[in-house]
Amino acid sequence: GENVEQHPSTLSVQEGDSAVIKCTYSDSASNYFPWYKQELGKRPQLIIDIRSNVGEKKDQRIAVTLNKTAKHFSLHITETQPEDSAVYFCAAPRANKLTFGTGTQLKVEL
Amino acid sequence: SAVISQKPSRDICQRGTSLTIQCQVDSQVTMMFWYRQQPGQSLTLIATANQGSEATYESGFVIDKFPISRPNLTFSTLTVSNMSPEDSSIYLCSARKEALGEQYFGPGTRLTVT
Repeated sequence: GENVEQHPSTLSVQEGDSAVIKCTYSDSASNYFPWYKQELGKRPQLIIDIRSNVGEKKDQRIAVTLNKTAKHFSLHITETQPEDSAVYFCAAPRANKLTFGTGTQLKVEL
Repeated sequence: SAVISQKPSRDICQRGTSLTIQCQVDSQVTMMFWYRQQPGQSLTLIATANQGSEATYESGFVIDKFPISRPNLTFSTLTVSNMSPEDSSIYLCSARKEALGEQYFGPGTRLTVT
């Protein structure tokens, strides 16, 4: 089955800096990789996703890159703001089900 | 996208009792799932709710403990049976329209078993 590793578990950055979270997966057949943001007490929210036929996708300050050869994908947040503080989860598919990473607690400090 | 609601939002239950959580999606979806999330932890898949047939359970989860119904393409229920304090957790409903694509979550049900 799919195994998803996520690093780091916690990340603290200064406002305006960039943040990068990395995930690795094990199933070479995986072809869809979403990222979720979960604020305290709230539901996980899909913020960006990428399919295996592209190497990078951007949406304003958020981008995801995919390296299929190395079987890893990363979330990049530029110009971080306090409202970016949350737990971020990556996921990869196993059959038609998503396996989630362990999460990264991002704290953006003023 | 899909808007997902759950009832109840939270409950405090006594051990040995059962609680049924309802999940409603605002549009027809292909797949519905139930997850459990312990505080500070990741999301663990309990089962896939199949419309018109028995749910598909993940390793470590069984139908007698977590019976699931899915009578149509927009609604599902999860029952937590014979509860113990170890069942205290947040239970999340999730759904997506395609076999593999954007997947959305309900707001969760915070269950405390005393």
